[in-house]
Amino acid sequence: NAGVTQTPKFRVLKTGQSMTLLCAQDMNHEYMYWYRQDPGMGLRLIHYSVGEGTTAKGEVPDGYNVSRLKKQNFLLGLESAAPSQTSVYFCASGLTVDSNQPQHFGDGTRLSIL
Amino acid sequence: GQNIDQPTEMTATEGAIVQINCTYQTSGFNGLFWYQQHAGEAPTFLSYNVLDGLEEKGRFSSFLSRSKGYSYLLLKELQMKDSASYLCAVMDSNYQLIWGAGTKLIIKP
Repeated sequence: NAGVTQTPKFRVLKTGQSMTLLCAQDMNHEYMYWYRQDPGMGLRLIHYSVGEGTTAKGEVPDGYNVSRLKKQNFLLGLESAAPSQTSVYFCASGLTVDSNQPQHFGDGTRLSIL
Repeated sequence: GQNIDQPTEMTATEGAIVQINCTYQTSGFNGLFWYQQHAGEAPTFLSYNVLDGLEEKGRFSSFLSRSKGYSYLLLKELQMKDSASYLCAVMDSNYQLIWGAGTKLIIKP
C-alpha cells in the first residue's frame, strides 16, 4: 500500500524555469492538499481540492497553479520559479474533512531555486 | 490573525517523561491534531482531541482545554527513536489545518 507518493523527491531549478510536482494517492481520498514547509514556520497551505475537477486557494497560492483531473492525482505547477519558492513541498490527502480524519502525507519534494 | 505557539526545541533523557505544550488562537475550532515528523520525512499522525480532557495512546497522551486554548502532548518512557519534531495543528472554522512551527525534541542517552 503506497499511500501518498510524490515525484520528484529533489529538484534544482533556475529562476524563471517552470516545473510540475506530482502527487498520487491510492486510498480513494476525496481531499488533497499542497503545503510548503520552511524553516521556523508551520506548514502553509498552498492549494487544495475537495474532489476530482475542483481546486481552491489556500493561504499562500501566489506563483502556483494546481490541477485535479483524476481523483487520485493532484499536480502543483510553478510557472516561473523564484528563489522565494525554495522550500520543501508536501502533498497530503484526507478521506473527508470530518474533524477526526487525519491527513496523510507524502515524503515531500525538496525544491531549490537558484 | 490565527496563531499556534509551541516551544522551538526541548531536550529530555531516555526513559524520562516530556510534555510539549501548544497554545492556539484560531477562527473557530474543529479539533486539534498532533503529528510527529522525523528529520527529512513526512509528518505522521499521532493524536486528535476535540473535547476537553486527556486522550491516551500507549506511551503518548494528548490533553486539550478549549477554554484556555491549550493542549499538550505527553511522551512517557522516552526512547531514542522519539527524537523528532512534534507538530501541533488546529482545524479552524473552514476545516483547514493551521500549523504550529513544531517542537524539535532531542533525546539524550
